[in-house]
Amino acid sequence: QKEVEQNSGPLSVPEGAIASLNCTYSDRGSQSFFWYRQYSGKSPELIMFIYSNGDKEDGRFTAQLNKASQYVSLLIRDSQPSDSATYLCAVNRPGGYQKVTFGIGTKLQVIP
Amino acid sequence: SQTIHQWPATLVQPVGSPLSLECTVEGTSNPNLYWYRQAAGRGLQLLFYSVGIGQISSEVPQNLSASRPQDRQFILSSKKLLLSDSGFYLCAWTGGANYGYTFGSGTRLTVV
Repeated sequence: QKEVEQNSGPLSVPEGAIASLNCTYSDRGSQSFFWYRQYSGKSPELIMFIYSNGDKEDGRFTAQLNKASQYVSLLIRDSQPSDSATYLCAVNRPGGYQKVTFGIGTKLQVIP
Repeated sequence: SQTIHQWPATLVQPVGSPLSLECTVEGTSNPNLYWYRQAAGRGLQLLFYSVGIGQISSEVPQNLSASRPQDRQFILSSKKLLLSDSGFYLCAWTGGANYGYTFGSGTRLTVV
């Protein structure tokens, strides 16, 4: 079992729709969870982090965490073509030093 | 504000040649620094991390090495490159467990 699993996609959604990106992780000791956006050929940029069960909203983005199910998700409301990118889920690795494990990423395509 | 610089942006090197990639951080002191590699179709793989000058931890045994000669400088090296060393190399720093990573702009290395 991979430590952090994501569907590689592509996930295609029409402009204005809600995009739902999912991630599962294997280590129950993980405490911090991150979503990064990576445009083609560019480096990842942090868009959300969450460490408590429930929802966390920031603008059009909502991160959801369910530690019992070991499940993290990212919702993007009112999707725009500029949201087309690969979204990486990252989970901290217990043991210190702020090391994280990344999923392979889900490619999102927002169709105008 | 904190910034991270990474160079060169692209590099084409023959098999067996040496490698030196440099990363510097500005606007912070004693950051945790990381080298990741992203191979085509694969997730980000942690190569090395450093919590202070001269302190290097290796995640994956291979022909790469890292050094931290100054507080805000992190260098990735190889004496002899292999074809399998091709990839997108990313330097990152973090300010703490819940702050996530800030990545440099990356170096795309092609070994031919």
